[in-house]
Amino acid sequence: DAGVTQSPTHLIKTRGQQVTLRCSPKSGHDTVSWYQQALGQGPQFIFQYYEEEERQRGNFPDRFSGHQFPNYSSELNVNALLLGDSALYLCASSGPGLGLNEQFFGPGTRLTVL
Amino acid sequence: AQSVTQLDSQVPVFEEAPVELRCNYSSSVSVYLFWYVQYPNQGLQLLLKYLSGSTLVESINGFEAEFNKSQTSFHLRKPSVHISDTAEYFCAVRNTGFQKLVFGTGTRLLVSP
Repeated sequence: DAGVTQSPTHLIKTRGQQVTLRCSPKSGHDTVSWYQQALGQGPQFIFQYYEEEERQRGNFPDRFSGHQFPNYSSELNVNALLLGDSALYLCASSGPGLGLNEQFFGPGTRLTVL
Repeated sequence: AQSVTQLDSQVPVFEEAPVELRCNYSSSVSVYLFWYVQYPNQGLQLLLKYLSGSTLVESINGFEAEFNKSQTSFHLRKPSVHISDTAEYFCAVRNTGFQKLVFGTGTRLLVSP
C-alpha cells in the first residue's frame, strides 16, 4: 500500500501564475481533503472532496479550486498566485462512510511563490 | 466554530525525562480530538485520538492523552522520551458533525542527550 502520494514535491512559481497540485489517496479511500500549512503554523483546511463534489470548504478565496476524479485522485488549483500562498500543501485521504475519524496525510507539496 | 490553543511553541527536554505538551480547545458542540506528529520534511502522522468512551487514550509508542471536558483540554504526555521523539506535535479538533480538522499552531519537542 503506497499510502497518500502527492506531486510534485517542490514547486517554484512567480506572482500571478497558476499552479496545479496533485494527490492520489490511500488505496480504498474515497474522500480527499486539502490543507495549507504556512511556515511555523498548523495546517489550515482548504476544502474536501467526496464523490467528485466539494463537500466542505474552509475560509479560502475562490482562487483556490479543486477537482476529484472518478478514481478518487484530486487536484488543487491556485490562480493568480500571491507571495502569501507560499506554503506546504497537504493532502489527506479517508475511507468510506461518514466515520472518517482518521485522515491519512501525504508528504506534501512545498510551493514557493517569488 | 472550533479553535485549538497550544501555548508552548517549543519544549526542550532531556532524554528519558517525562514530558507534557499542552492542548486546550474551544467548541460549542461535541468534538473529536487528535494528536498528530510531523517529522522534518514529512507529512502528518496520527499519534492518537479521542472519539468517545475512556478519556485516557494511548499510542503504540508510549504517548498518552487525557480528555478533560470540564477544562477543555487534551494534553499529551510521555513518561520517558527518546531522541527519536524530536518532532513537531499538533493537536487538532473536529466537530462530530463535520469533516474538517482544526489544528493548533504546533509544539516543537526537542529531546537532547
